[in-house]
Amino acid sequence: EAQVTQNPRYLITVTGKKLTVTCSQNMNHEYMSWYRQDPGLGLRQIYYSMNVEVTDKGDVPEGYKVSRKEKRNFPLILESPSPNQTSLYFCASSLYYRISTDTQYFGPGTRLTVL
Amino acid sequence: AQKVTQAQTEISVVEKEDVTLDCVYETRDTTYYLFWYKQPPSGELVFLIRRNSFDEQNEISGRYSWNFQKSTSSFNFTITASQVVDSAVYFCALSEGNFGNEKLTFGTGTRLTIIP
Repeated sequence: EAQVTQNPRYLITVTGKKLTVTCSQNMNHEYMSWYRQDPGLGLRQIYYSMNVEVTDKGDVPEGYKVSRKEKRNFPLILESPSPNQTSLYFCASSLYYRISTDTQYFGPGTRLTVL
Repeated sequence: AQKVTQAQTEISVVEKEDVTLDCVYETRDTTYYLFWYKQPPSGELVFLIRRNSFDEQNEISGRYSWNFQKSTSSFNFTITASQVVDSAVYFCALSEGNFGNEKLTFGTGTRLTIIP
């Protein structure tokens, strides 16, 4: 089954404790992206990757890192989480970068709470 | 910069009523794409429709219909004969057709509650 998976689905952590949210897709997609969803703000893009070893900042990259060593995986790293990073996070992928024509698939979301 | 406005934060209607969700967008591009996504209580995002800026035809899919009007920069979504399963948060989104990061710019969402 074609899908985007995220782990963990739920995470409660404390300020400053490094964490990684994994994202994996099994569709051989080149384009992957991370969004965060906050009440009253909709979804905002954090980082994106157009292919292996190619990543770039989205609208709200501060406090996050990503890597794209393999096509299928695009982990989101919070080196020193802070309470303002409490949010619902979505990973997404599409065959190419052209969202205009390629369907973008979203993962199930990861709800992160930073105390 | 692109922007999407969903002025209706929450809407409640009684089952079987029709309901329209409003979406107004801003972009300087002549080529752009509009989307609607559904987020049910389970939390995942479900793609509903994509429409490009050159196609102003309205679209109907079962009980769902979309009205795209470039003159008013609106892309409204109507659910006919609403059902309880339609209860969800609905997001309108915009993507400009530029080479490179065709990110989605989302509106703030409209929470729709269908009352049985």
